[in-house]
Amino acid sequence: DTEVTQTPKHLVMGMTNKKSLKCEQHMGHRAMYWYKQKAKKPPELMFVYSYEKLSINESVPSRFSPECPNSSLLNLHLHALQPEDSALYLCASSQTQNLNQPQHFGDGTRLSIL
Amino acid sequence: GNSVTQMEGPVTLSEEAFLTINCTYTATGYPSLFWYVQYPGEGLQLLLKATKADDKGSNKGFEATYRKETTSFHLEKGSVQVSDSAVYFCALSSHSGNQFYFGTGTSLTVIP
Repeated sequence: DTEVTQTPKHLVMGMTNKKSLKCEQHMGHRAMYWYKQKAKKPPELMFVYSYEKLSINESVPSRFSPECPNSSLLNLHLHALQPEDSALYLCASSQTQNLNQPQHFGDGTRLSIL
Repeated sequence: GNSVTQMEGPVTLSEEAFLTINCTYTATGYPSLFWYVQYPGEGLQLLLKATKADDKGSNKGFEATYRKETTSFHLEKGSVQVSDSAVYFCALSSHSGNQFYFGTGTSLTVIP
């Protein structure tokens, strides 16, 4: 069982829809991450939150909007996505933002944009 | 700059065969090195890590040794099982801990 829970597992949406991806962890970790993973590729970092504040945005388009309501929750709000945004979206957490520490990943949300 | 170069796949082995997946790195200072595994339909899991030269990480029969002289962190397992079929990612974090790099991943299929 994964200690990082992501919902939904699958999402199909049109280009004009607004939806949100959710991530939750109860390990007391203070850093949380969003990654995008295309088929047969490694994950690409999108955002990093440290102590509930956005610390890294890897030049992600504004149609992706992250939110960290508290230390256990991380959301990714989606609006006006493009077909090329179809991918597996992974959430991860670690004790702090020091990347020498292991990251714990959820099983991801598989997103399809019609 | 920092980077990770990983053996191209896919790799197909028979059950009980010996596995090696090569990983080399470029980094300044003393990075930490990781192997993550991604089973079909799942997220990534940390398989093992090493934080300094000559450290050996091990887990579930897998091993990798941090070799500074050859800048390598090759993954090995003496006898693979069908359940080891997955994608394996070598990864590096910078000495300062503020940068992280995945390799391209190596797909392993083990056949009975």
